[in-house]
Amino acid sequence: GENVEQHPSTLSVQEGDSAVIKCTYSDSASNYFPWYKQELGKGPQLIIDIRSNVGEKKDQRIAVTLNKTAKHFSLHITETQPEDSAVYFCAASGNNDMRFGAGTRLTVKP
Amino acid sequence: NAGVMQNPRHLVRRRGQEARLRCSPMKGHSHVYWYRQLPEEGLKFMVYLQKENIIDESGMPKERFSAEFPKEGPSILRIQQVVRGDSAAYFCASSPSIAKNIQYFGAGTRLSVL
Repeated sequence: GENVEQHPSTLSVQEGDSAVIKCTYSDSASNYFPWYKQELGKGPQLIIDIRSNVGEKKDQRIAVTLNKTAKHFSLHITETQPEDSAVYFCAASGNNDMRFGAGTRLTVKP
Repeated sequence: NAGVMQNPRHLVRRRGQEARLRCSPMKGHSHVYWYRQLPEEGLKFMVYLQKENIIDESGMPKERFSAEFPKEGPSILRIQQVVRGDSAAYFCASSPSIAKNIQYFGAGTRLSVL
């Protein structure tokens, strides 16, 4: 089955700096890669996703890149703000299943 | 347009009791997924259901855990004879048939076993 590795497990940045979170996956059949943001006491919220036929996608301050050959994808947050502080999860999905990374706790210091 | 609704938000049970967690998917969604999350850990897949069918239960423990998604009403995750190790947050997600791998999550049920 699919195995998703996520790094780093914790990340601390200064407000205004960029943050990058990286994930690798093992199943070459995976074709959909969402990113979720989870704030304390809440459920994961879908923030951006990318499909395997696209190399990069951007939505305001967040962007995701995908390298199918290397089987890795990354989340980039620019101009970070304190409200970006949360746990971020990557995931990889094929037909019926979705497997999540272990999460990255991002702290943005004002 | 209500999102995925889970109840209760918090559930306290004593060892040996039964826990029933409910999930109402988003309107128009016919696919439901259950995940378990331990503190400071990621989401572990448990089971994937469509109406009246279990599609994938590869993440479900073999004993004490069961799930259903009846034709009418919410999906239910049932844990019999709970033990302390069952304490966790249980999240439900739903997706539409036309994009079944785009999952939207509920706020979760936090189960505490005393």
